[in-house]
Amino acid sequence: GAVVSQHPSWVICKSGTSVKIECRSLDFQATTMFWYRQFPKQSLMLMATSNEGSKATYEQGVEKDKFLINHASLTLSTLTVTSAHPEDSSFYICSARGLAGKIDTQYFGPGTRLTVL
Amino acid sequence: AQTVTQSQPEMSVQEAETVTLSCTYDTSESDYYLFWYKQPPSRQMILVIRQEAYKQQNATENRFSVNFQKAAKSFSLKISDSQLGDAAMYFCAYRDINAGNNRKLIWGLGTSLAVNP
Repeated sequence: GAVVSQHPSWVICKSGTSVKIECRSLDFQATTMFWYRQFPKQSLMLMATSNEGSKATYEQGVEKDKFLINHASLTLSTLTVTSAHPEDSSFYICSARGLAGKIDTQYFGPGTRLTVL
Repeated sequence: AQTVTQSQPEMSVQEAETVTLSCTYDTSESDYYLFWYKQPPSRQMILVIRQEAYKQQNATENRFSVNFQKAAKSFSLKISDSQLGDAAMYFCAYRDINAGNNRKLIWGLGTSLAVNP
């Protein structure tokens, strides 16, 4: 149980194009989803928190107009990197908050490797 | 603000032996959750174990156990009978219980564990 899928697993795009990444909770409903960015051999950096049906909350320093987040249903959140540039190349990970016993726990997708040429 | 510190950037262990990864944290809260996540080379984040701060009993999951010392704000992970598949990056994480709907995780920088055959 508590499976989170992420699509695509990797994407290569040209500079200036937009890329959409989907995150789905497959067997549970997630009122809250999180989007992270991870650089090689580093920890996860939280970009934003999205709650179903409301606007996402962005962390300081994250451009909300560049990283558009939509959480339209209890099982789907999307991250769109608009007008991508080479510095946006990174590993993006989503997670969904679900219940494991009495503790709500974050379950993670497998990540998306974005390369912007 | 809460912080999580993992003082060992890299560790190694012989197969079948035991290794302990350290984690300390700082908080003024009395109730919170602590987690260990594993990130193997596939980069899929996997929950290893979780601990509720109000429980004195240390959490265990098969070969994984924690030594939770609340007064010392220490949360170490012990891996017994280490296996090659345990080689991964291990992240310690903290979360307030009562932090509103977002309840984001505070992450350590990670410990890279190598398992030698």
